[in-house]
Amino acid sequence: EIVMTQSPATLSVSPGERATLSCRASQSVSSKLAWYQQKPGQAPRLLIYYASTRATGISARFSGSGSGTEFTLTISSLQSEDFAVYYCQQYNNWPLVTFGQGTKLEIK
Amino acid sequence: QVQMVESGGGVVQPERSLRLSCTASGFTFSRYPMHWVRQAPGKGLEWVAVISHDGDNKYYTDSVKGRFTISRDNSKSTLFLQMNSLRAEDTALYYCARDRGIASADYFFDYWGQGTLVTVSS
Repeated sequence: EIVMTQSPATLSVSPGERATLSCRASQSVSSKLAWYQQKPGQAPRLLIYYASTRATGISARFSGSGSGTEFTLTISSLQSEDFAVYYCQQYNNWPLVTFGQGTKLEIK
Repeated sequence: QVQMVESGGGVVQPERSLRLSCTASGFTFSRYPMHWVRQAPGKGLEWVAVISHDGDNKYYTDSVKGRFTISRDNSKSTLFLQMNSLRAEDTALYYCARDRGIASADYFFDYWGQGTLVTVSS
């Protein structure tokens, strides 16, 4: 099983600033990495796939980068609606896809 | 618009069974692989099972193999998860999720239902 480790567990950022979230895989997943946003009481929403491709309807403020074992989700100019939990997911080792434990992005 | 509605959750005793359903609309259900993903209370996401668009191929996470069965009825745009021999650690919100791929699975999920809660407790 590929273990996905996200850091930090909690990130406190002020509105208007930039947030950088990290995700590390225990072995290479190539570029088969997705990011999801989950707000309280809601289902996850796909943000990014293939490490850097934004999903349909996702704001350009969200960008993804990385390959192999190190990945980053960057959210520029944070808006109030961006404060949520973010999960990374590898799908290189299908069908045993795995998620990170999540990073909670909170208002500073 | 794409919509998926799960049902069938509830409180069940250990070792009992439960069948979850997910009714889809707003897209051609028969073209997409479908998944179940679960989330224990206050915890992260865990992939559970996938079924190919035609129902011919199914895969499961190790912890549910031999206990859970995923199936689908394309004529009714419905996905199922039969859960037998339930354990306390199966307690979670169960989401159905659409694979982004068409016919062939990509193994990431572009649409999710709102989930149905399964609680296993004596």
